[in-house]
Amino acid sequence: ETAVFQTPNYHVTQVGNEVSFNCKQTLGHDTMYWYKQDSKKLLKIMFSYNNKQLIVNETVPRRFSPQSSDKAHLNLRIKSVEPEDSAVYLCASSWRGYYAEQFFGPGTRLTVL
Amino acid sequence: GDQVEQSPSALSLHEGTGSALRCNFTTTMRAVQWFQQNSRGSLINLFYLASGTKENGRLKSTFNSKESYSTLHIRDAQLEDSGTYFCAANNNAGAKLTFGGGTRLTVRP
Repeated sequence: ETAVFQTPNYHVTQVGNEVSFNCKQTLGHDTMYWYKQDSKKLLKIMFSYNNKQLIVNETVPRRFSPQSSDKAHLNLRIKSVEPEDSAVYLCASSWRGYYAEQFFGPGTRLTVL
Repeated sequence: GDQVEQSPSALSLHEGTGSALRCNFTTTMRAVQWFQQNSRGSLINLFYLASGTKENGRLKSTFNSKESYSTLHIRDAQLEDSGTYFCAANNNAGAKLTFGGGTRLTVRP
């Protein structure tokens, strides 16, 4: 099956802990993204990588760090989570370029207590 | 920054009826995508347009880059069409998508 896969589906943790989310795509794309969807369902870009190179880095707190081992994998680490980090984190992939349809994974829902 | 203004924010339809969703862009966009977010939270790709009109079953979408808007028409709405619909567009500066605020659609029997 060709798609975008994310693990875990859900994660509950306490303030100050570190969490990591994984994303893998089997679509053969060269660009991957992390988006955050907040409690009001607003979706915003966080990062994008092209062939392991960071190409978009929006205004995101420094406790967030993306990690790419190859063009098919893009993980997201959050050091010392805060309550406002509670959200759904969506991974996506596409070919690089202005005219490139993006495909999304099912998301990881993070709850910070 | 770039903004995508989506309307309406909520919409209620009876089965068999139809309506249109609209997104206005504050800057020139190169392409637009429309998604349905289902009850599990997955974003399902409905349309990708760089220009013109596309149709798929009961859905039709148009993108007018010059006039900075896109529309999604739903006809003969079914219960399973309920969910939140998002438009998203990318601009001249790069491939990141800027999302509209979403339209929560409820289809009633």
